[in-house]
Amino acid sequence: AQKVTQAQTEISVVEKEDVTLDCVYETRDTTYYLFWYKQPPSGELVFLIRRNSFDEQNEISGRYSWNFQKSTSSFNFTITASQVVDSAVYFCALSLVSGNTPLVFGKGTRLSVIA
Amino acid sequence: KAGVTQTPRYLIKTRGQQVTLSCSPISGHRSVSWYQQTPGQGLQFLFEYFSETQRNKGNFPGRFSGRQFSNSRSEMNVSTLELGDSALYLCASSLTPSAGGSYNEQFFGPGTRLTVL
Repeated sequence: AQKVTQAQTEISVVEKEDVTLDCVYETRDTTYYLFWYKQPPSGELVFLIRRNSFDEQNEISGRYSWNFQKSTSSFNFTITASQVVDSAVYFCALSLVSGNTPLVFGKGTRLSVIA
Repeated sequence: KAGVTQTPRYLIKTRGQQVTLSCSPISGHRSVSWYQQTPGQGLQFLFEYFSETQRNKGNFPGRFSGRQFSNSRSEMNVSTLELGDSALYLCASSLTPSAGGSYNEQFFGPGTRLTVL
């Protein structure tokens, strides 16, 4: 079975600090997708990134960056120079390429950015 | 392009009652998935519908059911409500089934917050 662990339940940082959200996953499949979603107070999940298991290149998008390491089964998310608008719950998720397995989410990390 | 809409946004029910939640996917999307979000269990998959057929089902009791209409709109029903059913119910739509093979991004609605008293 697949599992996603986000060990950090809550993180609080001061604006402009960098923050890294950890994600560790478990699967026996060799082909899978990893995702990060943001859930602001309004409730809807906002898609941030998808990573294919064959692509271990790190990705940067503005202040966001992702570090995918298959050797440690981790897909960590870093926000540089955090802003108050980054305050939200962030979810890491896993989906297998084969079969009919739906998204498996981690429990989420609540990030509070204080001005 | 309108996003995924869910109605109602908030609902209060008492134990034993039943409830129906509605989800309208993004225009052109034929797949609708439902998730339950609680503080204790996090986000858990309920079921997915594609072209009016249930394609996948999570590990929930039979009190949870759903259906999809020919216009891709979906409803989920919970019968004999229990206190533990209090949760945020999220709906997500995608062009085609979200699992397996090709990737299809899911777009989430704002959810329906159900409180069972």
